[in-house]
Amino acid sequence: DSGVTQTPKHLITATGQRVTLRCSPRSGDLSVYWYQQSLDQGLQFLIQYYNGEERAKGNILERFSAQQFPDLHSELNLSSLELGDSALYFCASSVVPSGDSRNEQFFGPGTRLTVL
Amino acid sequence: DAKTTQPPSMDCAEGRAANLPCNHSTISGNEYVYWYRQIHSQGPQYIIHGLKNNETNEMASLIITEDRKSSTLILPHATLRDTAVYYCIVVAGGTSYGKLTFGQGTILTVHP
Repeated sequence: DSGVTQTPKHLITATGQRVTLRCSPRSGDLSVYWYQQSLDQGLQFLIQYYNGEERAKGNILERFSAQQFPDLHSELNLSSLELGDSALYFCASSVVPSGDSRNEQFFGPGTRLTVL
Repeated sequence: DAKTTQPPSMDCAEGRAANLPCNHSTISGNEYVYWYRQIHSQGPQYIIHGLKNNETNEMASLIITEDRKSSTLILPHATLRDTAVYYCIVVAGGTSYGKLTFGQGTILTVHP
């Protein structure tokens, strides 16, 4: 158990819909990362937040957005869903926000999204 | 971040050492080498990291060559539970953000 929690574990929805994935980081971790893992693209970094502020963006679509709240939990919002958005979505947290010598990231169990 | 190259797959007998190589010939002076693994579809798990010295923890050892262009992750006594995809990732240090850029990794299969 990494200490990172994600809900829901599974999500099945239809094309065109909007969903929200939730992540609670480990106690004390200020930085949250979102990753997408699909069969054809592998594990890809989407976005990073540090103490409520967006820190870095990766290959995140404009239909996707995220935020980190004052209590440090984070939500990833996916809208206008397409079949290709079906994937595992992982959240990770770390103590420090940068590529420091202590940047090991702790991953949650993931949310499996299926778009039908 | 520097690109890494890993063999797509490796086999290892249970109880023997598993040595997983990684090439990162374009690594910069402030970039760290991190290793993660992913068992089936679970979240990736941090294993170890290093800058230029060899490192050891309760899970594994990391050997980095003197020129830092390659490294080897060593699982000293592999078990069936070590069957996983192992990712070697180079992460820029300093004030850069710490995103992880995953490649294809090495599928390690430990057999009885």
